Amino acid sequence: GAVVSQHPSWVICKSGTSVKIECRSLDFQATTMFWYRQFPKQSLMLMATSNEGSKATYEQGVEKDKFLINHASLTLSTLTVTSAHPEDSSFYICSAHQRGHQETQYFGPGTRLLVL
Amino acid sequence: GENVEQHPSTLSVQEGDSAVIKCTYSDSASNYFPWYKQELGKGPQLIIDIRSNVGEKKDQRIAVTLNKTAKHFSLHITETQPEDSAVYFCAAPKGGYQKVTFGTGTKLQVIP
Repeated sequence: GAVVSQHPSWVICKSGTSVKIECRSLDFQATTMFWYRQFPKQSLMLMATSNEGSKATYEQGVEKDKFLINHASLTLSTLTVTSAHPEDSSFYICSAHQRGHQETQYFGPGTRLLVL
Repeated sequence: GENVEQHPSTLSVQEGDSAVIKCTYSDSASNYFPWYKQELGKGPQLIIDIRSNVGEKKDQRIAVTLNKTAKHFSLHITETQPEDSAVYFCAAPKGGYQKVTFGTGTKLQVIP
């Protein structure tokens, strides 16, 4: 149980285009989802907290207009990187809190984004 | 906010030996401490967690100890195997249970 999926697993795009990444909780309802970014050989950095049916809360320094987050249901959150640039190339990982298990985060497999 | 420090950054052990990774945190109100294992190109996987009402928790070859007074917690892996090779992250709550702050990670290499 408590499986989180992400799609796509990797994506290559041209500079200036937008990329959407989906995060799904497959067998549980996720009241809260998180989006992280991880650069090579570094730790996970929280970008934003996404609650179902409400606006996402962004961490300091993260541009909300560049990283659009939508949490339309209890099993799906999406991250759209708008007007992507090479410096946005990174490993994007989502996680989800299971309803009733507020402390534990279950992570997705990650999406590797390469912007040319 | 919570500040989490993790040591060492790299650790090499011979297969069968034990490995210990240590973390310290700054917020004395924190009371939930998970440990994650991340293999190359994959997302982190929760391997064990501990809450502040206990000082130690064990799950087969993995154990975690917590010292709330000193504000540090440690991951212990016994009888290491090559498949234990990965990057391990500790974490502590950041502003409540909804968020966590991750440590800087420890790259563990188990040498056959």
